[in-house]
Amino acid sequence: IAGITQAPTSQILAAGRRMTLRCTQDMRHNAMYWYRQDLGLGLRLIHYSNTAGTTGKGEVPDGYSVSRANTDDFPLTLASAVPSQTSVYFCASSDSSGRDTGELFFGEGSRLTVL
Amino acid sequence: GQNIDQPTEMTATEGAIVQINCTYQTSGFNGLFWYQQHAGEAPTFLSYNVLDGLEEKGRFSSFLSRSKGYSYLLLKELQMKDSASYLCAVWNSNYQLIWGAGTKLIIKP
Repeated sequence: IAGITQAPTSQILAAGRRMTLRCTQDMRHNAMYWYRQDLGLGLRLIHYSNTAGTTGKGEVPDGYSVSRANTDDFPLTLASAVPSQTSVYFCASSDSSGRDTGELFFGEGSRLTVL
Repeated sequence: GQNIDQPTEMTATEGAIVQINCTYQTSGFNGLFWYQQHAGEAPTFLSYNVLDGLEEKGRFSSFLSRSKGYSYLLLKELQMKDSASYLCAVWNSNYQLIWGAGTKLIIKP
């Protein structure tokens, strides 16, 4: 593994189903983030984690949950998917809280369609 | 509210120069970023400006004016591979990253 890996890369899901998007990084970055990207809108932060064991809500957290049991993994769960959650989801990480370099490293994205 | 404005789409010719503007209104400022995103791919970091002035990095340069809430990304000697979306993002006073919707740059031969 090099960088950030997301899985699955693409998924079609029936409304009401539970879904977990996986994210793993091997850069030992403290901070991790989940964004959604929709056409015509900027990246919107769903949840974030500044360090293992802590999480926080972003701009659009409703309907999503996260956990950060260790440094490397940051899964995003949709408890009961709805069509408005159809989007491309990006996981990202940065060293410290990103305040030194500011650079975010992104995974390749997970394209989710909820029918 | 907080917002970042950038043109939705721009077209330029291979070999030419293009300037992509970004204006922002945020609660405080701790830096401005530019990212490049090719279609269907992840964003990748291009530049970070926290002080006024021009930062040059090869064919790409980024300018910041904090007093005007304004930045631009300058791309020189355009190549077909520069066709992508360019995302402007600002760190506010809480180090919350506010993203623009991106500018889709189309390069024509």
